[in-house]
Amino acid sequence: SAVISQKPSRDICQRGTSLTIQCQVDSQVTMMFWYRQQPGQSLTLIATANQGSEATYESGFVIDKFPISRPNLTFSTLTVSNMSPEDSSIYLCSVLRAPNYEQYFGPGTRLTVT
Amino acid sequence: EDQVTQSPEALRLQEGESSSLNCSYTVSGLRGLFWYRQDPGKGPEFLFTLYSAGEEKEKERLKATLTKKESFLHITAPKPEDSATYLCAVQAWNYGGATNKLIFGTGTLLAVQP
Repeated sequence: SAVISQKPSRDICQRGTSLTIQCQVDSQVTMMFWYRQQPGQSLTLIATANQGSEATYESGFVIDKFPISRPNLTFSTLTVSNMSPEDSSIYLCSVLRAPNYEQYFGPGTRLTVT
Repeated sequence: EDQVTQSPEALRLQEGESSSLNCSYTVSGLRGLFWYRQDPGKGPEFLFTLYSAGEEKEKERLKATLTKKESFLHITAPKPEDSATYLCAVQAWNYGGATNKLIFGTGTLLAVQP
């Protein structure tokens, strides 16, 4: 498994502002991911954070709205930009463990936009 | 389109009353099927990965099975501490090769009463 931490654990933000969420892993991992879990809905992949290259975004998610950094093999950030109430959600990072392609999740960041 | 459907949405059991949760999936090619447990306010906790039809895995009171169209999570003699949301997710092969994206169902909320 992996020990994954996220900061902040929760936040309440004003419309139009931005929030950066941090994800720290206790060991080096090749692949890190960011997911969103909206109230009453399933988890949805936002993007894959690639170390040394730009993130790969899923359909419906764009870099201007969700810029991602991956400066090294144990750390990544997700920024939620120009927030609106529709961005209220839980944001989760996950890491991939070889060789069985298992993904382990962090505790999540609960974001409320007012 | 790859899709995962879980049933029932919610299940209430008495302590010791065994039951099963269902996960039906439609994917172009199954790379792996994953079961997670999620407690309120926490990230998903990895339980099992299944890779091929006929495969079974067990952990304490939980047993996961896989066919070509669905997976079952059997809970034997559940205890109140088994109360949680159980999530099913699939990874698919696509024309470009393997994808690490997890496609989640909406989960089954299990409540075990003492």
